[in-house]
Amino acid sequence: QITLKESGPTLVKPTQTLTLTCTFSGFSLTTNGVAVGWIRQPPGKALEWLAVIYWDNDKRYSPSLKSSLTITKDTSKNEVVLTKTNVDPVDTATYYCVHIFSFGDDIWFDPWGLGTLVTVSS
Amino acid sequence: QSALTQPASVSGSPGQSITISCTGTSSDVGTYNFVSWFQQHPGTAPKLIIYDVTKRPSGVSNRFSGSKSGNTASLTISGLQAEDEADYYCSSYTSSSTYVFGTGTKVTVL
Repeated sequence: QITLKESGPTLVKPTQTLTLTCTFSGFSLTTNGVAVGWIRQPPGKALEWLAVIYWDNDKRYSPSLKSSLTITKDTSKNEVVLTKTNVDPVDTATYYCVHIFSFGDDIWFDPWGLGTLVTVSS
Repeated sequence: QSALTQPASVSGSPGQSITISCTGTSSDVGTYNFVSWFQQHPGTAPKLIIYDVTKRPSGVSNRFSGSKSGNTASLTISGLQAEDEADYYCSSYTSSSTYVFGTGTKVTVL
């Protein structure tokens, strides 16, 4: 059974750096085709794709946020970390991590973590 | 990349069929058969209901079906039930090797 859980601060001040950790079980990020992604959702708004890291350490970022995001993995700890620099109140959102399988003719985002709400406020 | 365009809301009566559209560009939906659909009930995480345009994960009702024509993908819910009332999001792989989500559609069961 695959599970993912997001963790990190619930409150961050503007201009600070936000660090979120996705701890997962039931799969390995060294397996061909496997990836972990991050998606966020501001209160009452739509989902927004942020970043993905693949089993071979390939990394992709949302073009609009690329300069402020960094995604890394620690396969020994089964963790993926997302950092966002210089946060702003518009970054207030529920942040989700998700297991991704991408191989050949298949790409699926499943399952998702429960999400963690991060509020940016002074 | 701009978000994929979905209607803000769609409604239907129990038993009816409804269709939600998801319009992108030739850089995403129009080129790749990597369109997914997610269902999200209030206060919960999104759930995958369709991937690769038409494929249904194990355990997802066959009342949900997907299709694509040109730059527009569609999700059809047949035999609408009260439990289908939720927000629905599409997503697509893009030519930049990234992903993009849709603007979201609120489905109301009348």
